[in-house]
Amino acid sequence: RKEVEQDPGPFNVPEGATVAFNCTYSNSASQSFFWYRQDCRKEPKLLMSVYSSGNEDGRFTAQLNRASQYISLLIRDSKLSDSATYLCVVMGGQNFVFGPGTRLSVLP
Amino acid sequence: EADIYQTPRYLVIGTGKKITLECSQTMGHDKMYWYQQDPGMELHLIHYSYGVNSTEKGDLSSESTVSRIRTEHFPLTLESARPSHTSQYLCASSEISGGFAEAFFGQGTRLTVV
Repeated sequence: RKEVEQDPGPFNVPEGATVAFNCTYSNSASQSFFWYRQDCRKEPKLLMSVYSSGNEDGRFTAQLNRASQYISLLIRDSKLSDSATYLCVVMGGQNFVFGPGTRLSVLP
Repeated sequence: EADIYQTPRYLVIGTGKKITLECSQTMGHDKMYWYQQDPGMELHLIHYSYGVNSTEKGDLSSESTVSRIRTEHFPLTLESARPSHTSQYLCASSEISGGFAEAFFGQGTRLTVV
């Protein structure tokens, strides 16, 4: 079993849709959690950290459930520019463990 | 923008050649990483370093080697390139402060071995 698993995707949604990505992790000792975004043929960039209480940044909302070892990302009112691969990232110890990513295509 | 740089951006080289992929960061980060990523696939950690003279192998076995003689520099070397080494190589650095951490990535080196 992979240490970090994500919805396989791809997700093809119309502009304005709300889309949710799910992620599970296997290491219960994991301490920090993130969502990264990777555009086609580009490097990953931090989208947002995920805090225990949940957090929101504009149209993006991240939730963490430590008991279920589950992380989610909700994108509201999706834009064409949101099209990318979304990577769930877990930190246990001092290394980042990247999930396989879920590709999102927002269609006009 | 992150101050982490990789050179070259693109490299096409013949089988059997020795190559070194350069990675430098000016953020003073102790932790640096090398990831390998095939197109449309996930990132695999191949090497990491927690500081000068510290290097470790990652989760994915790799024939490459790394060195960390200076904080800002973390080069990756392939002694004898093979077509199976064709991939994108991404370098990253991070610092953990007050429970917060972020990995900053370079733009990557796309390596093609012919």
